[in-house]
Amino acid sequence: SYVLTQPPSVSVAPGKTARITCGGNNIERKSVHWYQQKPGQAPVVVISFDSDRPSGIPERYSGSNSGNAATLTISRVEAGDEADYYCQVWGDGGDYVVFGGGTKLTVL
Amino acid sequence: QVQLQESGPGLVKPSQTLSLTCSVSGGSISSGRYYWTWIRQPAGQGLEWIGRIYASGNTNYNPSLKSRVTISLDRSKNHFSLTVSSLTAADTAVYYCARSAGHPNAVDYWGQGTLVTVSS
Repeated sequence: SYVLTQPPSVSVAPGKTARITCGGNNIERKSVHWYQQKPGQAPVVVISFDSDRPSGIPERYSGSNSGNAATLTISRVEAGDEADYYCQVWGDGGDYVVFGGGTKLTVL
Repeated sequence: QVQLQESGPGLVKPSQTLSLTCSVSGGSISSGRYYWTWIRQPAGQGLEWIGRIYASGNTNYNPSLKSRVTISLDRSKNHFSLTVSSLTAADTAVYYCARSAGHPNAVDYWGQGTLVTVSS
């Protein structure tokens, strides 16, 4: 089965740039979605199809996908960005969903 | 604005079968565009996709759960359901129902989630 690997945690100072990676075999051939989840809440999609930003998501959020890693980039990080972030793709064969293990973003 | 609301027992015994329902408002589950999905999350852990059902009734399941899971539609009530059989403590989680607008789209609407505890 297809496996996605994320770092368990990323820390960044306010105003700086956070980068969260999502590793997978030839992930560049897949469409990657990114979700933000705050404590006690359902996830919210922040990036879809590698780099598309849904309506209402700040321009500070961006995504890329190349080779064996996709990256979620959050520029000018704010305290409100502190959350868990999950990447998601469709598995080989396209008939099941795979989530990464999640990354806890801490704003210092 | 689509809204999804999970309902079901909060506590079930090991070896029993869990049944959850997701009521959909603001849209029809019979619309051909959408996939209706179940996702779960054990406390302090990550997201696990359970499966989905299309308006036609076609389903896809997580291979690791496929033998114990069934997702179905009830068009007359505009809701969809999840059953998980042979429960163990490892099935204890918050269960979310959700929607995606096509394949391979992201999930765009989520329910608030319902906690299910498997314990005797």
